[in-house]
Amino acid sequence: DQQVKQNSPSLSVQEGRISILNCDYTNSMFDYFLWYKKYPAEGPTFLISISSIKDKNEDGRFTVFLNKSAKHLSLHIVPSQPGDSAVYFCAASAMGGGATNKLIFGTGTLLAVQP
Amino acid sequence: NAGVMQNPRHLVRRRGQEARLRCSPMKGHSHVYWYRQLPEEGLKFMVYLQKENIIDESGMPKERFSAEFPKEGPSILRIQQVVRGDSAAYFCASSPRADRSYGYTFGSGTRLTVV
Repeated sequence: DQQVKQNSPSLSVQEGRISILNCDYTNSMFDYFLWYKKYPAEGPTFLISISSIKDKNEDGRFTVFLNKSAKHLSLHIVPSQPGDSAVYFCAASAMGGGATNKLIFGTGTLLAVQP
Repeated sequence: NAGVMQNPRHLVRRRGQEARLRCSPMKGHSHVYWYRQLPEEGLKFMVYLQKENIIDESGMPKERFSAEFPKEGPSILRIQQVVRGDSAAYFCASSPRADRSYGYTFGSGTRLTVV
């Protein structure tokens, strides 16, 4: 049961344009969402997060939008740069269930930014 | 300021052997998480430990897998009698506290190949 879904395995964007990566979730208990970036042969690197009490969070070129009614979030990167080429994972966590801070990850989207 | 250190980076084991994966968290971090990434999949939570305690092992297979985080030394993920299906990338992450707003730091992973 895939609770966090990234339906686009890959995305290609021209340098300088906007990259939009999408993520859907099914579990209504999720109330915290994160985006990670991963280069080959490295571990994921935290990018940006958003709490369910917000609908937008911005950090430099990265903005995450959350639509709770649609159970959908998206990561916007603008302007896109060749160094942004990586796999992007969406992750979610749910309040409760004890002290655990475990994340549920999507399957990732490979972003390729063309020079 | 070393990050999360995992070793070995690559591990090859024959079926039936034991695999021991080590994780040294960032300095000052007392919370450790282990995740597994199978080919073409996202990261799956395995276990969450604090010093000398297993807090959540809901993602651990019931047999052959165990984890520890002793008072001194690294966290160890141990897989006994490995099978081909254990071949995956195993990532460790650490955080200074159980705070969901903290995008914890991942290591570079151990790639286990069972032959």
